[in-house]
Amino acid sequence: GNSVTQMEGPVTLSEEAFLTINCTYTATGYPSLFWYVQYPGEGLQLLLKATKADDKGSNKGFEATYRKETTSFHLEKGSVQVSDSAVYFCALSTDRDDKIIFGKGTRLHILP
Amino acid sequence: GAGVSQSPSNKVTEKGKDVELRCDPISGHTALYWYRQSLGQGLEFLIYFQGNSAPDKSGLPSDRFSAERTGGSVSTLTIQRTQQEDSAVYLCASSISGRAYEQYFGPGTRLTVT
Repeated sequence: GNSVTQMEGPVTLSEEAFLTINCTYTATGYPSLFWYVQYPGEGLQLLLKATKADDKGSNKGFEATYRKETTSFHLEKGSVQVSDSAVYFCALSTDRDDKIIFGKGTRLHILP
Repeated sequence: GAGVSQSPSNKVTEKGKDVELRCDPISGHTALYWYRQSLGQGLEFLIYFQGNSAPDKSGLPSDRFSAERTGGSVSTLTIQRTQQEDSAVYLCASSISGRAYEQYFGPGTRLTVT
C-alpha cells in the first residue's frame, strides 16, 4: 500500500541553521508529493507540492525535490527562523483516489 | 469566516459516553475529510465525502465511529461508547473536487476521554 516515512522529531536547531527533514515514500503509480505545516495553534496548511519526478516545490524559503530514483522528497531550508517552529508533515496522493496519505509529522524547534 | 470551522474546540467526556463533533466546510467545497491526529501517530484518515457519492469509510477504526454529511455541507462525526484510546485531535478538511492536495483544514476538536 501507499505510505510515507519521515524522520522522527523533535528537531532542534539554532536560528540561521540549515534544515533538512527527510521523507521517503512507497506508492503505486505516480504520486504527487506534498509538505504540510502546522504552526502552533493553527490549522494544517499546504506548504509546497511537486506533481512529477524532478519537480521542485518551493515556498517561504523551503524547497523539496521529487526524486523518483530514491523515492524521496526531503524538505530543506537554507536559513531557518524562529517563526519556522512548527510540525511538518510529508504526504502523498495518487491519481486513483482523492485521499492524502500523511507521514507522522516532524516537530521543529528553532532557538533564537 | 471563510475557513473551515469545527465545534467544539475541546471536549472532555467519560468513557462509555457518545460524542458528536461538527464540521462546517468552506462554502462551495464538495469534498470533506475527517482525520484523527494522535500523539506520535500523525494524521490518520477516517472518512471522505465527495458530493452525492457514497462516502469512503475505509479509515474508520471501528463500528463505533460514524459520520454523516447533511445537504452536502455540514458534517457530524459521531463516536459511540467512547474509549480512552479515542482521545485525540479530530481534524476536518474540505476541498474542491479533484484537488485533494488543496485541502483546507479546520482547527480541530481535541477530544479527551477520561
